[in-house]
Formats: sequence, C-alpha cells, structure tokens
Amino acid sequence: NAGVTQTPKFRVLKTGQSMTLLCAQDMNHEYMYWYRQDPGMGLRLIHYSVGEGTTAKGEVPDGYNVSRLKKQNFLLGLESAAPSQTSVYFCASSRGTSGMNEQFFGPGTRLTVL
Amino acid sequence: SQKIEQNSEALNIQEGKTATLTCNYTNYSPAYLQWYRQDPGRGPVFLLLIRENEKEKRKERLKVTFDTTLKQSLFHITASQPADSATYLCAPRGPGNTPLVFGKGTRLSVIA
Repeated sequence: NAGVTQTPKFRVLKTGQSMTLLCAQDMNHEYMYWYRQDPGMGLRLIHYSVGEGTTAKGEVPDGYNVSRLKKQNFLLGLESAAPSQTSVYFCASSRGTSGMNEQFFGPGTRLTVL
Repeated sequence: SQKIEQNSEALNIQEGKTATLTCNYTNYSPAYLQWYRQDPGRGPVFLLLIRENEKEKRKERLKVTFDTTLKQSLFHITASQPADSATYLCAPRGPGNTPLVFGKGTRLSVIA
C-alpha cells in the first residue's frame, strides 16, 4: 500500500497563476484533509471532506477550493495564487471521525509563489 | 475560540533522560487528544491517542497523560535517544465533532 500520496512534490508559481494539488489514498478512508504548515504557525486546516462528494471549510479556507469526486482523491485548487500562499501543504486521511482515528499524512508539497 | 499551546518551541535534553512535553488547551473540553511526531521535510506520524476518561496511556518508551481538570496533556519519552529528536505535535479534537486542532509543536533535541 502506498498510503497517502501527493502530487507534485514541489512547485513554483507566479502571482495570479492557478494550480491543483492532488492527494490520493489507497486505504479506503472516508475522511480527507488539506493542511498548510508555515514556520511558527503550525499545521492549519484548510478544507476537509467527510466522504465522497462532501467538503467543509477549515480554519483558513480563503483563496482555496477543493473537490472530492472520488473517495480516494481530494483535490486542492488555487485559482489565483498569492505570495501569502507560499507554504508546505499536507494532505491527510482517516478512517472515521478524526478525533478518535489517527490521521495518515502524505509527504507534502512545497509551494512557492513569486 | 479554542486555543492549543505547547509549552516551548524547543527542548534540549541529554541522552538517557526523560523528556516531558506539555500541551495546554483552553475554551473547550476535547473528548480525544492525539500526539504526532514530525521529522524535517516529512509529514506528521501518529504516535498515541488518549480519551478524556483515560488518565494515562503507554506505548513502549512513550507515556501520555490527560488531565481534563487542568486542561493539559503531558507527553513523556523515557530513556531518550538521539533518534527521538524531532518535532512533536499535540492535537486535541476540535469543539463539537470538528477535526483535530494541531498545536505548533515542540522541537526536541536529544544530545548524546
């Protein structure tokens, strides 16, 4: 099993460009999450999904959109990238209600917006 | 709103000693609390989960306590080794049934 994979691993964008980050999991998990991690700020939840076709906002959703068309995939989109979105992005998944189920994290995507 | 605080950004200890990391939370009472380990350039990895009705949980050299009165969790690593050097993240479940809320982490360095 690959667990949680993220594509791409690195990306450099110019301000105003758009891109989509792909997260895939092969554990048949219901819940999936997108976080960003910045120095001194810790992990902050952007959006999450409790099942195929559902999404919900996290702590810092502005400037991002997500979609969960298939259970195994969770996409994070940046429509018009800004330098403030320079960060490391982590995807995670869990079997059920996140509080009582461990989250499995991907390796991260390092995004730089110039 | 809820607030999660981990006692210090960095902690240095001598090999063989016990490392103790603190996680405090305010403004709510989580039913579950998890601890994760994160190595540089990698995603966090789950270590332990403790429920509000459990005072203590152990796994090999790791021990977690959960004091709902003090609103605090302590994470201990006994007989610490240089390989334990990493950032440790505290993550209580959010208010209601919302996802985990992660603390900023404590960077532990075990010196040989």
